[in-house]
Parts: sequence; C-alpha cells; structure tokens
Amino acid sequence: NAGVTQTPKFQVLKTGQSMTLQCAQDMNHEYMSWYRQDPGMGLRLIHYSVGAGITDQGEVPNGYNVSRSTTEDFPLRLLSAAPSQTSVYFCASSSYAGTENSPLHFGNGTRLTVT
Amino acid sequence: KNQVEQSPQSLIILEGKNCTLQCNYTVSPFSNLRWYKQDTGRGPVSLTIMTFSENTKSNGRYTATLDADTKQSSLHITASQLSDSASYICVVKMDSSYKLIFGSGTRLLVRP
Repeated sequence: NAGVTQTPKFQVLKTGQSMTLQCAQDMNHEYMSWYRQDPGMGLRLIHYSVGAGITDQGEVPNGYNVSRSTTEDFPLRLLSAAPSQTSVYFCASSSYAGTENSPLHFGNGTRLTVT
Repeated sequence: KNQVEQSPQSLIILEGKNCTLQCNYTVSPFSNLRWYKQDTGRGPVSLTIMTFSENTKSNGRYTATLDADTKQSSLHITASQLSDSASYICVVKMDSSYKLIFGSGTRLLVRP
C-alpha cells in the first residue's frame, strides 16, 4: 500500500538552479495537488490537477510549473530556485475531484533548501 | 477574507489526560470541515470530515464537534497517549470549489 510517494525526501539547491519534485500515487485518484508548508502558516496550494492533461493554478503558483501526463504522476518543477522557495513541499491526492467529502491523502513531503 | 484560526498554538499535557483543540473559521461558502493529524516529518493524515449538518463525529479517541452557526469546531482527545504528540490541523473546504483553507495547526506534546 504505497499511497502517495514523493521523491526526493531532502534537496539542497543553489539560487538559480532548477529541479523537479516527483509525486506518484497508486490509488487511481483523479485529483492531485501540490502544497508548500512554511513555519507558522497553513499549507498553501501551489498547483492542482483534476485529471490527466488538466492542471490549474493555486494561490502561490509563481516560480513553479506542473504537468499531468498520466493519472499516477504529478511532478512539480522549480524553474529558477530562489531562497523564498525554501519550504517543505507536500503532494496530495483524492479520489474524485468533485466529491465533497473525499479526504486528501498526503505524501511525506520533500524538504527543500535554497541557498 | 477566508480564514481558519486555531488555538492554542501549542499544548503540553500528561499522558492519560484529555484535551480539546479549537478551530474558528470565516469561510464562505462552507462545504465541510476536516481535522488532520501531522506527525513530525510526515504528511498530514485525515481524522474526520464533517458537513454542516453533522454536530459530532468520532474516530477512536478523537471526537470532533462542529457548530456551523458560530463557525466553531473542536477536536477532543480522550485518554491521551504518547503517540498523540503531533500537530493537528483544521481545514475548511469551500463549497463548489476545490479550494481548502488550512489553519496553521496546534502542536500537541504528550508527556509521560
């Protein structure tokens, strides 16, 4: 029962570098999303997808890109890393985007430091 | 502005004791309210989801209440265990939207 798998667990980048955070789920969930968690703040939505080929912006999308070519995978790309992107990133999925009471299933996060 | 506020920010209790965490929200339109438990270094895990018509919902030793009129919720933990040490996050889902509003969490430490 893998659930939502995120890689890597930890990453250190220099300012200006790019990288991709990987997220995969094996529950055939339609809805997938990326959040960042910063100290003292609630999780904030970066991007989300309601199915393969469909993505949309959340509340803090600047500096990040996503794509959804398959149901299982939803990678998050940092285009040119900045120190303000130092955070813990969580990928989450749920069974049906339109179902009001579907719980989100979270991965265990990627801790990113940008120096 | 849509907001979810939790109190206290942190709490220390002795093993075996009960505690109650609070959540106030100003989110509209409202769909449901969720409580998540987040262990250190892990992702949040769903405890309960409550719609406006549900006053109380239990999950083992966790009992959530919801007062949709006053826009308040609480999470009561009974007979606390060391494994209850975690952050507890209150989340409100907006109606007809994928949008979730997260509180900043209450950090609970259960001491032996």
